[in-house]
Amino acid sequence: EVQLLESGGGLVQPGGSLRLSCAASGFTFSNYAMSWVRQAPGKGLEWVSAFSGRGGSTYYADSVKGRFTISRDNSKNTLYLQMNSLRAEDTAIYYCAKEQQLVRDFYFDYWGQGTLVTVSS
Amino acid sequence: SYELTQPPSVSVSPGQTARITCSGDALPKKYAYWYQQKSGQAPVLVIYEDSKRPSGIPERFSGSSSGTMATLTISGAQVEDEADYYCYSTDSSGNHSGVFGGGTKLTVL
Repeated sequence: EVQLLESGGGLVQPGGSLRLSCAASGFTFSNYAMSWVRQAPGKGLEWVSAFSGRGGSTYYADSVKGRFTISRDNSKNTLYLQMNSLRAEDTAIYYCAKEQQLVRDFYFDYWGQGTLVTVSS
Repeated sequence: SYELTQPPSVSVSPGQTARITCSGDALPKKYAYWYQQKSGQAPVLVIYEDSKRPSGIPERFSGSSSGTMATLTISGAQVEDEADYYCYSTDSSGNHSGVFGGGTKLTVL
């Protein structure tokens, strides 16, 4: 059974930093790309960042480029999101999601339960 | 930036057919995917590659796509289908970039 467990959320002041983790189990972690998707309170879903399975490529939404860094440790089956220079608009539930990659698409077949990040003074 | 457009809300009575649309310029070249999100829960994939249904998803859920519009159909909607539904696709720029529609609140009452 695929399980994704996020941690590391909390309250942080504007301009501050936070690192999220996502512990994965139930599948061969290194074979799959992984993403972070967020949802601001009462709002829709927003793809944030992705890390390829083996190639080491990283991708970011324009809204977080230059402030967030995605990484992974395949030996620990864990995905990370380092968030710097946080803004109020980064307040959201952050979900870790396992990707399925096709030739022309990618999508998310499993999601964690999310971790809440609140940016406020 | 690429956008997917959904109606904010759809309302049906139990047993009726609910249709939720999603429009996007790249949909003729890209698959549409649909996620169901019930209150306080993580999203769940209900349709992938325009019309395929993951195991465990009831047969009343179906999907189709034609031109720039994808449609999620719930035939004989149940009260437990009340949720937010999001379409998803990737943009056609060649970048690894995912886009969600704004979401549709389905009310079944």
